[in-house]
Amino acid sequence: AQKITQTQPGMFVQEKEAVTLDCTYDTSDPSYGLFWYKQPSSGEMIFLIYQGSYDQQNATEGRYSLNFQKARKSANLVISASQLGDSAMYFCAMREDNTNAGKSTFGDGTTLTVKP
Amino acid sequence: DVKVTQSSRYLVKRTGEKVFLECVQDMDHENMFWYRQDPGLGLRLIYFSYDVKMKEKGDIPEGYSVSREKKERFSLILESASTNQTSMYLCASSYRGQAGNEQFFGPGTRLTVL
Repeated sequence: AQKITQTQPGMFVQEKEAVTLDCTYDTSDPSYGLFWYKQPSSGEMIFLIYQGSYDQQNATEGRYSLNFQKARKSANLVISASQLGDSAMYFCAMREDNTNAGKSTFGDGTTLTVKP
Repeated sequence: DVKVTQSSRYLVKRTGEKVFLECVQDMDHENMFWYRQDPGLGLRLIYFSYDVKMKEKGDIPEGYSVSREKKERFSLILESASTNQTSMYLCASSYRGQAGNEQFFGPGTRLTVL
């Protein structure tokens, strides 16, 4: 069963506007972590932001914030003030803490295009 | 600066060849991972390792094997390459046992099997 679902294969946003990339997850483990990664056209995956299942506040890292709604099992990434360099593929991932070695499950990704 | 390196960015092999993909990390991470990435399928875990000489199957281990003789090095082996193994291969590493430990990725190896 799909554990991470990213329903938006592609998204467009105007430069300087905010954009939300959706991610829903499925787990019965009470302890888990949610991650977002960015993959530019160069191919290298870059870690953006992390949210723990017990964290009370939504995570923020600069222009990135994670809108964590635990009851809905969603962990949407919000990018504020989009820049042309934000054009990339974005992956949501979940690590269930009862797994060995921090094994994570990744979604299929969302391709974001920022328009000038 | 933390670093995960992969032996090749691009590789072309013939069907039936034995293929070695090497990954080295300099962060003293316990965990190492091999993924393949295909359009529309996201990242799929092939194998992972949480210690030297330890390995576990991921979601798609068929046709692959791995080796971890040293902590910093994790090798992916295609015993007899097939055309359906044409893909982007990503290696990653992370610390073990702490919440919030993100994975650090290498630049990827784009493998083409003819």
